Amino acid sequence: QTVVTQEPSLTVSPGGTVTLTCASSTGAVTSGYYPNWFQQKPGQAPRALIYSTSNRHSWTPGRFSGSLLGGKAALTLSGVQPEDEAEYYCLLFYGGVQVFGGGTRLTVL
Amino acid sequence: EVQLVQSGAEVKKPGESLKISCKGFGYSFTNNWIGWVRQMPGKGLEWMGIIYPIDSITTYSPSFQGQVTISADKSISTAFLQWSSLKSSDTAIYYCARRTASDYDYWGQGTLVTVSS
Repeated sequence: QTVVTQEPSLTVSPGGTVTLTCASSTGAVTSGYYPNWFQQKPGQAPRALIYSTSNRHSWTPGRFSGSLLGGKAALTLSGVQPEDEAEYYCLLFYGGVQVFGGGTRLTVL
Repeated sequence: EVQLVQSGAEVKKPGESLKISCKGFGYSFTNNWIGWVRQMPGKGLEWMGIIYPIDSITTYSPSFQGQVTISADKSISTAFLQWSSLKSSDTAIYYCARRTASDYDYWGQGTLVTVSS
């Protein structure tokens, strides 16, 4: 069973920068896994942020960026805002099957 | 405007059957995949499976294969997720989401399914 691993929790100060990562049990994450990133706030449906590693949606603030870093997919938030406090999930494509990571709870403090 | 509108909350007893729905608006329903995602209480997102409405090709996560059935009726732009015999462990919020080539862009509002005797 494929496992996708994220940091369980991270804390960042307002205005700071933080990087969340997404690792695959099968080995290095490449662009062929089409990493997606989602934000979920309590009581809300997930919201898409990034697709295919680094592509933002039209509604995604510019402070969110996606990349590959050290064999993992990465989501970097620069100039963090209080409203960025949320759960963040990555999703990787394994051919016809997709797998979510366990999520990272980001606290802005 | 693209929207996915899901059916309302359900309360069921163990052993009962259930079919929930996800209706697409504002885009060509047949030309995009629809995926289903489970979120158990206080837990993370789990990818369940996906369907291509134009020909109903379906792929399931190994964890959900045989546990649920995903279907679609392209004539009414609606995808479905169904159970033949619910268990208490099926209690969760279920989301549908539109998938383009490599992107889950639009999500439904979620359907809360509660299974309790």
